[in-house]
Amino acid sequence: AQSVAQPEDQVNVAEGNPLTVKCTYSVSGNPYLFWYVQYPNRGLQFLLKYITGDNLVKGSYGFEAEFNKSQTSFHLKKPSALVSDSALYFCAVRPSEAGTALIFGKGTTLSVSS
Amino acid sequence: GAVVSQHPSRVICKSGTSVKIECRSLDFQATTMFWYRQFPKQSLMLMATSNEGSKATYEQGVEKDKFLINHASLTLSTLTVTSAHPEDSSFYICSAVDSNYGYTFGSGTRLTVV
Repeated sequence: AQSVAQPEDQVNVAEGNPLTVKCTYSVSGNPYLFWYVQYPNRGLQFLLKYITGDNLVKGSYGFEAEFNKSQTSFHLKKPSALVSDSALYFCAVRPSEAGTALIFGKGTTLSVSS
Repeated sequence: GAVVSQHPSRVICKSGTSVKIECRSLDFQATTMFWYRQFPKQSLMLMATSNEGSKATYEQGVEKDKFLINHASLTLSTLTVTSAHPEDSSFYICSAVDSNYGYTFGSGTRLTVV
């Protein structure tokens, strides 16, 4: 079965420091991986996705993610965190069949302190 | 980019009444839409997949008679929570998939049943 794991409920970093939000996946076939961010009482905003190509994917707001096939990971990173990055982050995988719903991890709350 | 408009953003209703939530794709046609439910600080749980012109496919454990889904056009899907009870209070999010834009999410609806 396809699944996504986000092992950390919360990540705390100081403003200006690099941040990493972890994600591992389990899929059959080639993975289609996504990261979304959610602010309180809002929908999901797309950050980036990996389908094929370079393992390092650059996305919105300075975020990037590295696809690692051997470790089945897709960690989200940012070199320098901002207080405004504080939000709930979701990693998601698309099942092998096109047009099917994304499967989400449980989410990781990122808290950036000033 | 693609925009999915979801209304209302917040609704409070009395127990036993019904509430309709609309999800519109504004600049693309969405043959498939998804409805998710999210509890506080938890992940998104897929409720159903809505296909234009056909019956929705519900996930296991979701009551199809309580959560009525209609996808009558390529730009509109609706979720009606019938005979709502306090335990139906939640955050509901729709998502549309398009071959050009991928997955786009609505801004969510906070339903409170009193």
